[in-house]
Amino acid sequence: IAGITQAPTSQILAAGRRMTLRCTQDMRHNAMYWYRQDLGLGLRLIHYSNTAGTTGKGEVPDGYSVSRANTDDFPLTLASAVPSQTSVYFCASSEDRDTGELFFGEGSRLTVL
Amino acid sequence: GQNIDQPTEMTATEGAIVQINCTYQTSGFNGLFWYQQHAGEAPTFLSYNVLDGLEEKGRFSSFLSRSKGYSYLLLKELQMKDSASYLCAVLDSNYQLIWGAGTKLIIKP
Repeated sequence: IAGITQAPTSQILAAGRRMTLRCTQDMRHNAMYWYRQDLGLGLRLIHYSNTAGTTGKGEVPDGYSVSRANTDDFPLTLASAVPSQTSVYFCASSEDRDTGELFFGEGSRLTVL
Repeated sequence: GQNIDQPTEMTATEGAIVQINCTYQTSGFNGLFWYQQHAGEAPTFLSYNVLDGLEEKGRFSSFLSRSKGYSYLLLKELQMKDSASYLCAVLDSNYQLIWGAGTKLIIKP
């Protein structure tokens, strides 16, 4: 089934640890995104990539890094996790950067203690 | 700053009609989008408006007035499975999606 796969679906992490959330899509979409979603707040963009080999900072990039070595994969890394990074993280993709029709992964629920 | 406002929560009865409003102030406009998100799940695309007027898709319709910075999502013949959060988002002049916080819709029998 075509779509976006995220891993892990859930993780509990000690503060200070490094963590990578994986995201893979098989739709050959050019643009990919990482969002975090917290109760009472809208989706907030962390980082994005308009095409393989390029990345950009979103609204809340501090403490996170991404890479886009190829079209399909867009991992998100927390170099040293802090409790404020406890959230649900969604990876998404779109055919191109100029469309608002996004396809989302199932989400990764991260708890930092 | 950029801002999207929508009600936090609404309640409606099964079989009825409900209208969820969204107002926006953004740097430019390249389209308005509605997404549905069931609890514990990912958002899924519902509708897209770029020109003024009504777009109908089955039981769901979405309206846009660019001059008023206003949109609504209309859900007819409500079903229990329509209980979800509905997210309004605007694509701004930089092609960044600006998201509202979402409206939680509760359907009662």
